[in-house]
Amino acid sequence: DAGVTQSPTHLIKTRGQQVTLRCSPKSGHDTVSWYQQALGQGPQFIFQYYEEEERQRGNFPDRFSGHQFPNYSSELNVNALLLGDSALYLCASTRRTERMKKLFFGSGTQLSVL
Amino acid sequence: TQLLEQSPQFLSIQEGENLTVYCNSSSVFSSLQWYRQEPGEGPVLLVTVVTGGEVKKLKRLTFQFGDARKDSSLHITAAQPGDTGLYLCAALDRGSTLGRLYFGRGTQLTVWP
Repeated sequence: DAGVTQSPTHLIKTRGQQVTLRCSPKSGHDTVSWYQQALGQGPQFIFQYYEEEERQRGNFPDRFSGHQFPNYSSELNVNALLLGDSALYLCASTRRTERMKKLFFGSGTQLSVL
Repeated sequence: TQLLEQSPQFLSIQEGENLTVYCNSSSVFSSLQWYRQEPGEGPVLLVTVVTGGEVKKLKRLTFQFGDARKDSSLHITAAQPGDTGLYLCAALDRGSTLGRLYFGRGTQLTVWP
């Protein structure tokens, strides 16, 4: 049973470019969340998708957008990249009906903006 | 301001020593979770504590939830090099039915052989 898978593992972009990160949730999970983890920090919530809609959003600008597909996989898009967007981007999945939320995280995409 | 304050930020000890890391807040939580994250990996859930005063054990790791449900601690007995990693505490957003987490900055633990 595959866990949460993310691609690519590493990415290098330049300022002003756009990037798309991908996530496949753990089998049986229907909810996907995205987190940004800057160096030396804990993960910060970006947004969350359920039933192909954004359900909750953290304090991130509109340059950050996402999508969830019918198979529950998800994409995170970042436009007009800034140097400060350099971070590890983590995807986490869970099942909405689970009472005690257990989030399973992928290994992340390390994004470097030059 | 950080919702969850973790201390210490860094901890470097010898194999066999005991240690405690702390997670504090001024807010009351319905539950707290502890994660361990190794380099190049995502966080892995270790435990969820729900009841004030609750103590949970996971082999050499002991987790405690404060009576007032505002703080938590993680105690490791006889630390081993395999315990090295970033230990994160996280609180579930009470208003979120889908599992939004607020994380602390973490404690980076290094255990030397």
